[in-house]
Amino acid sequence: GEDVEQSLFLSVREGDSSVINCTYTDSSSTYLYWYKQEPGAGLQLLTYIFSNMDMKQDQRLTVLLNKKDKHLSLRIADTQTGDSAIYFCAERDKGRRALTFGSGTRLQVQP
Amino acid sequence: EPEVTQTPSHQVTQMGQEVILRCVPISNHLYFYWYRQILGQKVEFLVSFYNNEISEKSEIFDDQFSVERPDGSNFTLKIRSTKLEDSAMYFCASSEIPGGGETQYFGPGTRLLVL
Repeated sequence: GEDVEQSLFLSVREGDSSVINCTYTDSSSTYLYWYKQEPGAGLQLLTYIFSNMDMKQDQRLTVLLNKKDKHLSLRIADTQTGDSAIYFCAERDKGRRALTFGSGTRLQVQP
Repeated sequence: EPEVTQTPSHQVTQMGQEVILRCVPISNHLYFYWYRQILGQKVEFLVSFYNNEISEKSEIFDDQFSVERPDGSNFTLKIRSTKLEDSAMYFCASSEIPGGGETQYFGPGTRLLVL
């Protein structure tokens, strides 16, 4: 079945860029998503990318997709303390409704 | 900005009891979902619902679980006889008619504790 993997923890200094990585196994993944979860809160959709795209930029967020290596990354420019959260990568096959999530990367931003 | 809401935020129940978790999806959305996250584990898909019927379900969604859209605004998940291993955070989500990325918007979750 599908599997999505992420590193568990990332620590950066305020003002630096953060890069959160994700790998997936399903070659028919058509949609890939990034969600953010702050303590005690739900899953907030940050951005998504279609598999026919290589890059998508949305303000401080840049998503890069390497389809050959099945690797997805989320870059956060000028990281702020308010960006501290758990970031989840998720994928969805076009023929299905279900999202398959990674285990989440906890981003800690140090002042 | 419209958002998915869930009630209650926390629920404690005894093993064997029935629980109903409630969700109000975003008003113009037509697809509804339940996911769960056991503490320390990944978020897992349970079920999707469209046009008053289940459109997809996972292996987790066995006969103990059921979903319902009892009126025009609520979407519920019922667990008939709770087990200890049902303790988890349960997330409801909704999305518009498929098209584009069909992004799913999540509620804040209900934390269920089965004793």
